[in-house]
Amino acid sequence: AQSVAQPEDQVNVAEGNPLTVKCTYSVSGNPYLFWYVQYPNRGLQFLLKYITGDNLVKGSYGFEAEFNKSQTSFHLKKPSALVSDSALYFCAVRDREAAGNKLTFGGGTRVLVKP
Amino acid sequence: KAGVTQTPRYLIKTRGQQVTLSCSPISGHRSVSWYQQTPGQGLQFLFEYFSETQRNKGNFPGRFSGRQFSNSRSEMNVSTLELGDSALYLCASSTLTGEYAEAFFGQGTRLTVV
Repeated sequence: AQSVAQPEDQVNVAEGNPLTVKCTYSVSGNPYLFWYVQYPNRGLQFLLKYITGDNLVKGSYGFEAEFNKSQTSFHLKKPSALVSDSALYFCAVRDREAAGNKLTFGGGTRVLVKP
Repeated sequence: KAGVTQTPRYLIKTRGQQVTLSCSPISGHRSVSWYQQTPGQGLQFLFEYFSETQRNKGNFPGRFSGRQFSNSRSEMNVSTLELGDSALYLCASSTLTGEYAEAFFGQGTRLTVV
């Protein structure tokens, strides 16, 4: 079974400050890891993914994430947050050894960036 | 390139009725997955279809079913609706190649059961 934990329900940050959203995962095999963002009344938008290779992954809108196998973590980061980054963020995992495209999501972290 | 299209966007149904939701994937995508999003349970996987065959299924009762057509369009059906079925239903499509390919989501269908 696979699972994802996002320990913070909400993260508050001032505009221009660094933003970090935490994610830890559990899978029986090796993971594919994803970050998605959701704005009100919208679907999920893909931000970035870790497949293999470099542990630091760069994605859309200036976001990046660092894969840490020993800590089973995949934290999302942005060096300088914008008010427009305020949204709901989801981390997701897929077991590399499992057939199909089933994603398991964390509970989500609401990010509020204050001007 | 058109994104994933879900219809209708909003739906209000009465308890005991049934409902059918539709999803048109991105052109060329043959994998279609469905998710239920609620404030209490978060995002939960319903099922995945690939080449008209159900490939994965989540832990939902048999009232929830789906199918995929030869053009990869998919429908999900919920019979005997319950109040707890009120949720945002999201459809996602992925490419044929690469199990690691990211999923692209539609805007969802907001179902309200009264």
